[in-house]
Amino acid sequence: NAGVTQTPKFQVLKTGQSMTLQCAQDMNHEYMSWYRQDPGMGLRLIHYSVGAGITDQGEVPNGYNVSRSTTEDFPLRLLSAAPSQTSVYFCASSSFTSAEQFFGPGTRLTVL
Amino acid sequence: GIQVEQSPPDLILQEGANSTLRCNFSDSVNNLQWFHQNPWGQLINLFYIPSGTKQNGRLSATTVATERYSLLYISSSQTTDSGVYFCAVEAVGYSTLTFGKGTMLLVSP
Repeated sequence: NAGVTQTPKFQVLKTGQSMTLQCAQDMNHEYMSWYRQDPGMGLRLIHYSVGAGITDQGEVPNGYNVSRSTTEDFPLRLLSAAPSQTSVYFCASSSFTSAEQFFGPGTRLTVL
Repeated sequence: GIQVEQSPPDLILQEGANSTLRCNFSDSVNNLQWFHQNPWGQLINLFYIPSGTKQNGRLSATTVATERYSLLYISSSQTTDSGVYFCAVEAVGYSTLTFGKGTMLLVSP
């Protein structure tokens, strides 16, 4: 079991560029989510999904898109990167039965 | 939305000391979890504890849902316990976790 995997680990973008952060889990979890972590702010929810084909917005969704075409994958897209999106991004998953949330290793993104 | 407050914000301990971290929340919850973020940034689930008491080695947690707080106890602390401890809750009627701002713990040798 690889658990929750994220790629890339580090990324530097210029303002206005687009990119996709990848997230995959091999635990057959129904629930997947994306958070961003900024200094002193804890973790804030960006988007989440309760199953393939179903996504919803979290606390800070602006500037990000998601899709969930399979149970395993939940990519996060930045359409036009801004310096305010400089952060560490975490993907997480859980099952409806146990509810314990498992996190990926994170992606550190810098937007210049 | 639900408010989650953790205290203290920072804590420095000598190795071997005990500590108690607190998480207060503003509404009824059906899910509460404690996480440890190590100095390398990895987030590890410590406890899923919407009510009652659980123990795992030197760590234990208690949630008193009716009084809207949870406590995380660390006994005989070790340097590897250093990092940030987060409490996260899911309010009744919602399906998402809200995180507190965390308690940063430093255990010195």
